[in-house]
Amino acid sequence: DTGVSQNPRHKITKRGQNVTFRCDPISEHNRLYWYRQTLGQGPEFLTYFQNEAQLEKSRLLSDRFSAERPKGSFSTLEIQRTEQGDSAMYLCASSFESSGNTIYFGEGSWLTVV
Amino acid sequence: QKEVEQNSGPLSVPEGAIASLNCTYSDRGSQSFFWYRQYSGKSPELIMFIYSNGDKEDGRFTAQLNKASQYVSLLIRDSQPSDSATYLCAVNPPTGKLIFGQGTTLQVKP
Repeated sequence: DTGVSQNPRHKITKRGQNVTFRCDPISEHNRLYWYRQTLGQGPEFLTYFQNEAQLEKSRLLSDRFSAERPKGSFSTLEIQRTEQGDSAMYLCASSFESSGNTIYFGEGSWLTVV
Repeated sequence: QKEVEQNSGPLSVPEGAIASLNCTYSDRGSQSFFWYRQYSGKSPELIMFIYSNGDKEDGRFTAQLNKASQYVSLLIRDSQPSDSATYLCAVNPPTGKLIFGQGTTLQVKP
């Protein structure tokens, strides 16, 4: 078990460009979460999947953000028309449904929008 | 009112002392409670979880839960400089996702 894997680890992009992050969860985990974290703040919930179904999406998330988990395995998070305020660490986490929602994070993907 | 509140600190303790980190939450329906440690520039790592009122010990760490007061705490005994990090409290309300506090920065001074 290699843990939750995220890539790319670092991304620098120009404002207005689209970016996509990928997350591979722990293999037996059926839940997958995306969080965003900025300096000095705790992780902020974005969305989560149970298998391939997207069960919840934060009201704070603009329609420029979209996430998919097409086969219930890996997930992608796409940000369209990036803005400087999107600069953050994007964290993916996974859990097994019956584990009391104990989630395990990947190493994160750092996004810098210039 | 924030859903999960922590004092941002920094909390400074001398090496060998007990560090006490506190967290309050707003949703009385919350079922499980977690503490994560986060080193600067790294992702959060799970330290402990607790579901029932009372204390739960794991090595130098003790988590305490009081659902009536909506209060969770983490005690770190014999604090070491390597414990210097940000400690995140997370709460699992009935909605199925974890809600995090802003974290408390702990500094352990040699």
